[in-house]
Amino acid sequence: DVKVTQSSRYLVKRTGEKVFLECVQDMDHENMFWYRQDPGLGLRLIYFSYDVKMKEKGDIPEGYSVSREKKERFSLILESASTNQTSMYLCASSTGDSFDVPYFGPGTRLTVT
Amino acid sequence: EDQVTQSPEALRLQEGESSSLNCSYTVSGLRGLFWYRQDPGKGPEFLFTLYSAGEEKEKERLKATLTKKESFLHITAPKPEDSATYLCAVQALLGNQFYFGTGTSLTVIP
Repeated sequence: DVKVTQSSRYLVKRTGEKVFLECVQDMDHENMFWYRQDPGLGLRLIYFSYDVKMKEKGDIPEGYSVSREKKERFSLILESASTNQTSMYLCASSTGDSFDVPYFGPGTRLTVT
Repeated sequence: EDQVTQSPEALRLQEGESSSLNCSYTVSGLRGLFWYRQDPGKGPEFLFTLYSAGEEKEKERLKATLTKKESFLHITAPKPEDSATYLCAVQALLGNQFYFGTGTSLTVIP
């Protein structure tokens, strides 16, 4: 079974704090993704990575950065958290081959106060 | 622009009342269409992938079908435990990205 884990299920941070969300996958997948999910807006892609140290911006990268130093780990960084970044954050990974399927982690509910 | 539209936004069914959820898509060449189930506060759980028009996949009370412009998730004789949000996503032939719809929230009443 594919396993994608995220470092926290729930997180409460203050405005201006630097926030790290970590994601680890155990299936040797090439691609990893960070999404945020908000009511009525669905899943929106923040960043994705198709290889170690490689990253590409998604639809809403502003206010976020990412790091992929090892194949199995993909980190999302909020440089200075703001209240409009309160959301559900979902990490996913996929093989990147012809039968590519994204598998998701359990999500991190982040609240910025 | 690649996009995915799901309808209805919400659906309430009596237990045993069969129905269908719709996912219409526009993509420059379809590589795959995906269905997920998402329970409140949890990550999406993969259900099916469909690759070409005419393809069908089944799992318990769920059956997914694909045409050139849309996919249907048919739910036969649903039970309360089928209550969840169902998400649809597509991947284009070119590129690594997946595009998601906003989901259909299904409630099955005993």
